[in-house]
Amino acid sequence: ETGVTQTPRHLVMGMTNKKSLKCEQHLGHNAMYWYKQSAKKPLELMFVYNFKEQTENNSVPSRFSPECPNSSHLFLHLHTLQPEDSALYLCASSTQGSPLHFGNGTRLTVT
Amino acid sequence: SQQGEEDPQALSIQEGENATMNCSYKTSINNLQWYRQNSGRGLVHLILIRSNEREKHSGRLRVTLDTSKKSSSLLITASRAADTASYFCATTAGGTSYGKLTFGQGTILTVHP
Repeated sequence: ETGVTQTPRHLVMGMTNKKSLKCEQHLGHNAMYWYKQSAKKPLELMFVYNFKEQTENNSVPSRFSPECPNSSHLFLHLHTLQPEDSALYLCASSTQGSPLHFGNGTRLTVT
Repeated sequence: SQQGEEDPQALSIQEGENATMNCSYKTSINNLQWYRQNSGRGLVHLILIRSNEREKHSGRLRVTLDTSKKSSSLLITASRAADTASYFCATTAGGTSYGKLTFGQGTILTVHP
């Protein structure tokens, strides 16, 4: 409904698991973003991709690995996460000069 | 560093009343945006005001920007129960793109029917 679809909506994973979050946008935008929303903290920008090229890595730990195969798809590969990584992970897209369009997020719980 | 800070952190009002939320920021900005987030959902863009603008309207929303005080306010008039959500201000600064936003912690608005 937002034009940006994130899957899965909920994910529970152990600290030794490997999982991936997926984001797809149907808006024809050229930029895609990962944001992290933790309780009692402002949204934090994690990664930015423009035309499939990573243009921003906001000092994100290497246990988070983004992948952008084309302008419509964005992945976030997760491995050996910590409980403090539990959060809502939001994908967004935009085109030059436009505000962000967000997906509904993946609620991640690391046990 | 945290750029936007909203005030109040939580606001509870009755339907029909006006709701005012404030945002302060620290550095020079290109523009300031307001977003709404319903529980468990993504953020939805409401309105954008550029640094050379002082006031902007969109339906029941009115946004002001005072760059000398580094502050903005969002006014929702004649509030409805459906306006219940978290509201965030977000800024872009310098030569950054529209998408590289710095968010505040948000104001939780509850509108009672």
